[in-house]
Amino acid sequence: DTAVSQTPKYLVTQMGNDKSIKCEQNLGHDTMYWYKQDSKKFLKIMFSYNNKELIINETVPNRFSPKSPDKAHLNLHINSLELGDSAVYFCASSQERIPNTGELFFGEGSRLTVL
Amino acid sequence: GQNIDQPTEMTATEGAIVQINCTYQTSGFNGLFWYQQHAGEAPTFLSYNVLDGLEEKGRFSSFLSRSKGYSYLLLKELQMKDSASYLCAVRSFHTGGFKTIFGAGTRLFVKA
Repeated sequence: DTAVSQTPKYLVTQMGNDKSIKCEQNLGHDTMYWYKQDSKKFLKIMFSYNNKELIINETVPNRFSPKSPDKAHLNLHINSLELGDSAVYFCASSQERIPNTGELFFGEGSRLTVL
Repeated sequence: GQNIDQPTEMTATEGAIVQINCTYQTSGFNGLFWYQQHAGEAPTFLSYNVLDGLEEKGRFSSFLSRSKGYSYLLLKELQMKDSASYLCAVRSFHTGGFKTIFGAGTRLFVKA
């Protein structure tokens, strides 16, 4: 049983298109995240949701719109895709409440290639 | 702001010991993590320190000094499968909740 699952695993699309990535966690965690890992392997936080509420938005362009229908799901929709959006997008979840450490559990990643 | 520095690459020999250093600057510090990431895979949790000192977990140990903004990950009895990137990450508290940011990672090559 996969703890954090995201789909699709691979996305190849043209510039200007719109695409979505879905994420689900079955760990009962309150907090979910989207991270972007670029070609230099730098893992950068994009968004964080706690119990469906947005708590972190790291100055991501508004072409990126996260949606959390419930605390087990966090989806990412990207409009008007650009070449620079090519990256691996990781969904993660954590339990922040004490005594938990807040370690992140990552999904397998979704590799987006914009042509 | 927040900043995390760690070496870009390291090479070590199978069976040896390697220490990967990490320095950080942050406000609202609430813990330091080390993650391992093999090529093409997701990061996986290795260790967590929130108080000063050494945490040992099998072949892996992690040390934290909050006053110096410094941590290291120690890997003993290196195996070929330890070849991976090691990510230092700092969790901090800010309005609304916690945020975990990552260093650029240290690529470790283990040679026979």
